[in-house]
Amino acid sequence: AQSVAQPEDQVNVAEGNPLTVKCTYSVSGNPYLFWYVQYPNRGLQFLLKYITGDNLVKGSYGFEAEFNKSQTSFHLKKPSALVSDSALYFCAVRDYGNNDMRFGAGTRLTVKP
Amino acid sequence: GAGVSQSPSNKVTEKGKDVELRCDPISGHTALYWYRQSLGQGLEFLIYFQGNSAPDKSGLPSDRFSAERTGGSVSTLTIQRTQQEDSAVYLCASSLAGQGTLYEQYFGPGTRLTVT
Repeated sequence: AQSVAQPEDQVNVAEGNPLTVKCTYSVSGNPYLFWYVQYPNRGLQFLLKYITGDNLVKGSYGFEAEFNKSQTSFHLKKPSALVSDSALYFCAVRDYGNNDMRFGAGTRLTVKP
Repeated sequence: GAGVSQSPSNKVTEKGKDVELRCDPISGHTALYWYRQSLGQGLEFLIYFQGNSAPDKSGLPSDRFSAERTGGSVSTLTIQRTQQEDSAVYLCASSLAGQGTLYEQYFGPGTRLTVT
C-alpha cells in the first residue's frame, strides 16, 4: 500500500526567502504525486502533480516540486515566499490501480513579513 | 462553474445519535470520494464511488459508517450511533474519473462534525 510522510509539522520562513516543504513517499509501483494547499476556513486546493516526464513540475501560485525517484521524495518549493502563502500543505500519493489517495499529515507553513 | 458543495457546514450532535452529511459534486465528475480530517491528522480515506460501479468501502472505520450515491451525483455519508471519536471534518471530493486516473480531486469546504 502507498504511504506518504511529511517530516515537518511546521515550517517558518521570512517573506522573500525561498521555501521548501518536504515530502517522501512509498509505493509498490509508479507513483502519482500531488500537492494540495488548505487556506484557513477554505477547502483543499490542488497545486500541482507529477505523473510522468520532467522531474520538475510547476504549479499554481509560483510553486514547483521536484520528483526524485532515488530518494522517493517530492519536495514542494517556491523561490520567494509571500505572506499569503501561509497555509497548511498536504502531499499525497496514489499508486496506479488504487482508488484512494494517501495524504500526509500536513505541514503548516508560516511566512513572516 | 460551481465547485463541490457540502452541507451542513457544521453539525453538533449528541453521542448515540445518527447524522447525515451531504455532498454535491461538480457536474460531470464521475468519481466521488469521502475523507475524514481529524485535528492534527492528515486526510483519512473513507469511501470512493465511480460511476455505477460498486463503491470501494475499504476505508470506512466501522459498520456505523455508510454512504450512498444516488443517480451518480449527490452522495450522503451516514454515521449511526455517533461516538466522540467521530468528531472531525468530513471532506468530499470529486474528479473527472476514477481508478488509475491522472486527474486531481476537487474538494468541498467540509462538514465539521462535533459529537458531544
